[in-house]
Amino acid sequence: QKEVEQNSGPLSVPEGAIASLNCTYSDRGSQSFFWYRQYSGKSPELIMFIYSNGDKEDGRFTAQLNKASQYVSLLIRDSQPSDSATYLCAVVTNAGGTSYGKLTFGQGTILTVHP
Amino acid sequence: NAGVTQTPKFQVLKTGQSMTLQCAQDMNHNSMYWYRQDPGMGLRLIYYSASEGTTDKGEVPNGYNVSRLNKREFSLRLESAAPSQTSVYFCASSTRGNQPQHFGDGTRLSIL
Repeated sequence: QKEVEQNSGPLSVPEGAIASLNCTYSDRGSQSFFWYRQYSGKSPELIMFIYSNGDKEDGRFTAQLNKASQYVSLLIRDSQPSDSATYLCAVVTNAGGTSYGKLTFGQGTILTVHP
Repeated sequence: NAGVTQTPKFQVLKTGQSMTLQCAQDMNHNSMYWYRQDPGMGLRLIYYSASEGTTDKGEVPNGYNVSRLNKREFSLRLESAAPSQTSVYFCASSTRGNQPQHFGDGTRLSIL
């Protein structure tokens, strides 16, 4: 089982719809969860982070975390063509209580928002 | 607003040549990282430096060396480049290991 798995894509949604991106992780000790957006040919850009169970909203983005189910998701409301990108889920597990936590990325989900 | 700066942006090498990729951050971050990104393989950690003066291997360290020159700078060296090291290399930094990482623009490296 991969440490971090994202729902297979690509995902295509019409403009104005809600895009739902999902991610599961294998290590119950994981403590920090991030969503990055990566445009083609560009570097990953942090868009959301969440540490506690529940929902966290920032503008059109909502991150949802369920540690019992080892599941984290990203919802994008009112999707725009400019949201078309690859979305990377990343999970940190603290290694032995040190300051370094291993950040593991999922393979990414390609999202296309069509007009 | 420089953030994380990587040089060079593009490089073509011949097999067996050596080179150093440079990375500098101006956010006073403690931790720095080097990743490579290949199609179908996602982002993989090569080396990291949890704090100034320390470095550790990541998932794919073979063929690479690193130096944490000071708190700002973290370099990645390829001693004898191989075609399998053709990739896009990203440097990142964070305040601590469990905090969000911020990425540089990347170095696109081709080895012939």
